[in-house]
Parts: sequence; C-alpha cells; structure tokens
Amino acid sequence: DAKTTQPTSMDCAEGRAANLPCNHSTISGNEYVYWYRQIHSQGPQYIIHGLKNNETNEMASLIITEDRKSSTLILPHATLRDTAVYYCIVRSGGNQFYFGTGTSLTVIP
Amino acid sequence: GAGVSQSPSNKVTEKGKDVELRCDPISGHTALYWYRQSLGQGLEFLIYFQGNSAPDKSGLPSDRFSAERTGGSVSTLTIQRTQQEDSAVYLCASSLGVGTGVQPQHFGDGTRLSIL
Repeated sequence: DAKTTQPTSMDCAEGRAANLPCNHSTISGNEYVYWYRQIHSQGPQYIIHGLKNNETNEMASLIITEDRKSSTLILPHATLRDTAVYYCIVRSGGNQFYFGTGTSLTVIP
Repeated sequence: GAGVSQSPSNKVTEKGKDVELRCDPISGHTALYWYRQSLGQGLEFLIYFQGNSAPDKSGLPSDRFSAERTGGSVSTLTIQRTQQEDSAVYLCASSLGVGTGVQPQHFGDGTRLSIL
C-alpha cells in the first residue's frame, strides 16, 4: 500500500470549511483513497473513499487530483465536534488498514 | 442502523489472568477484523475473518492470543496469561464481504484493557 503524508496538525474556525490535504505520490492505479477520523476514546470513524473521481456524502467531500498523487478532504462547515485526528489511507486490498499519524484538526470557536 | 458493538468497554485485570473480548459486527458484514491500539500509537492488525475461509492470523503477537468467530457473526478475542504490555485498546471492525479489498471497514469503539 502506498505511503501517505499529512500535516501533523491544523486549526479551523468554527463554521468555516476545513481542507485537509494528503500526499500519496506513489499511489498505484488500483489503490483507493480512504479517509477516517478518530475522536478521543472512540474507534476510527469511516468518512469517505474514492478512486479517481471526486466524491461527496453527507459528511464530507473528497477531491482527488487528476494525477491522483494528492487529495483533499473537505468538511464544508466545521463544528466543534469535528475536532479529531484525521487519517488518509490508500490501499488496493488486503486485510488491514495502515493508519499513520494523521492530522490533528482543532476547530476553534 | 446498529454499528459494530464491542464489550466490555473497559476491562481491568491482574497480570496472568485470561480475558475474553467480544465483537458483534454489523449485520450482513461477512468480514471481521481485530486491531489493537496502544496509547498514542497507530492501529496494529491482529486477525481477519472472511466467511468460512481460514482466518488470517498473521498479526497475532504471540500464542497467548487467539480468536474465533462462531456462526459467521460474533467474534471473541482471547488473551491468555495476560502481561502488562497487553494493555491497549482492542478494536473490532467489519466490512461487506463482496469486494472486500475495497470495502471500507467500520469500527467499534473498542475495549480498553488494563493489566495491573
């Protein structure tokens, strides 16, 4: 599975869009991009995933660049409850997800 | 709908005792995974079940660890003769079996295990 690089931490003002970047320059053609988040003392929560097209659901939007070497998770209107560690993962299969250190997002009132 | 349910949520036990952790996956999910997460660390894969296939036990750290899945649904992770280094949060996840490789895994909130 390809390695991902994310900023260690980010702040976002409440009500504004939170844009979380992820670099995955070694991604291969059959690898999907997944985003999860983990709030303290809870299990990881699935947010969204995609292959090459942009995706949107009730939680977030996923923008994948045309060359697929990077992506951005967008939380359109961040709330205090969005404060969490966000993980970007790329994989094509296998039995496990490799969670790196992620981005610690703090939403500021 | 109901998510992945794990019990107990917290377990404190003495070194040397055996513990059993339970996982109820999402209904209809045929794939089930166990991970553990030590304080401030990432997730460590332990074991994977898919339908009636032999489980992938490649992540189990020692022979003190075992898991079973009865009837293709509920799973139990057993740790025998617990050691202090077994203290961690044990997470269970499940996913749809079809196209397992790309299906997202959905996690429970884990069992926080503390070995005194």
